[in-house]
Amino acid sequence: KAGVTQTPRYLIKTRGQQVTLSCSPISGHRSVSWYQQTPGQGLQFLFEYFSETQRNKGNFPGRFSGRQFSNSRSEMNVSTLELGDSALYLCASEVGQGTETQYFGPGTRLLVL
Amino acid sequence: AQSVTQPDIHITVSEGASLELRCNYSYGATPYLFWYVQSPGQGLQLLLKYFSGDTLVQGIKGFEAEFKRSQSSFNLRKPSVHWSDAAEYFCAVGPGEGTSYDKVIFGPGTSLSVIP
Repeated sequence: KAGVTQTPRYLIKTRGQQVTLSCSPISGHRSVSWYQQTPGQGLQFLFEYFSETQRNKGNFPGRFSGRQFSNSRSEMNVSTLELGDSALYLCASEVGQGTETQYFGPGTRLLVL
Repeated sequence: AQSVTQPDIHITVSEGASLELRCNYSYGATPYLFWYVQSPGQGLQLLLKYFSGDTLVQGIKGFEAEFKRSQSSFNLRKPSVHWSDAAEYFCAVGPGEGTSYDKVIFGPGTSLSVIP
């Protein structure tokens, strides 16, 4: 079974721009969670989607948004980028039936200049 | 409030030595427990997990962890460390059965260095 894939792997943007990151979960997994990882803050939960609905949300500003498609693929969008948004963005998928075992993708490293 | 602590920010061990990484949690009930490893620039790989049953859990790469309910701990161990084990290790807790929480929470991580 293919693992979680994330595209792109690396991204450079400038302040004020917006960015869209993509995540394809493991086949059969219906839940996708997004995390931001920075050296200072560690792993912080952004949001979780299950069956195209946002099931949970972390404490991030409204500039961070996401969605999930009928094939379980998910996208997250960050508008009006700030320097502090530079981070590794990780996507994790799980079956979504309460197993709570998350499988992570390799991440997208975003650099905001 | 739910929280996960990993008291050791950084640990250095010699190759072949034993290893123990500490993890304590506050979750209000018995959660699901996980250990992940992250190599530089990579995503997280699941090492092992505890849902219920035997409190000593075996994982991949020769790792094991023991759940101690009385101490709210889930420490990770390995009897003999290899140079390739150098990485960042994260403990995580997730909502167990009967809990009303719904998020997985990660600890701050412990960075492991291995001396040849």
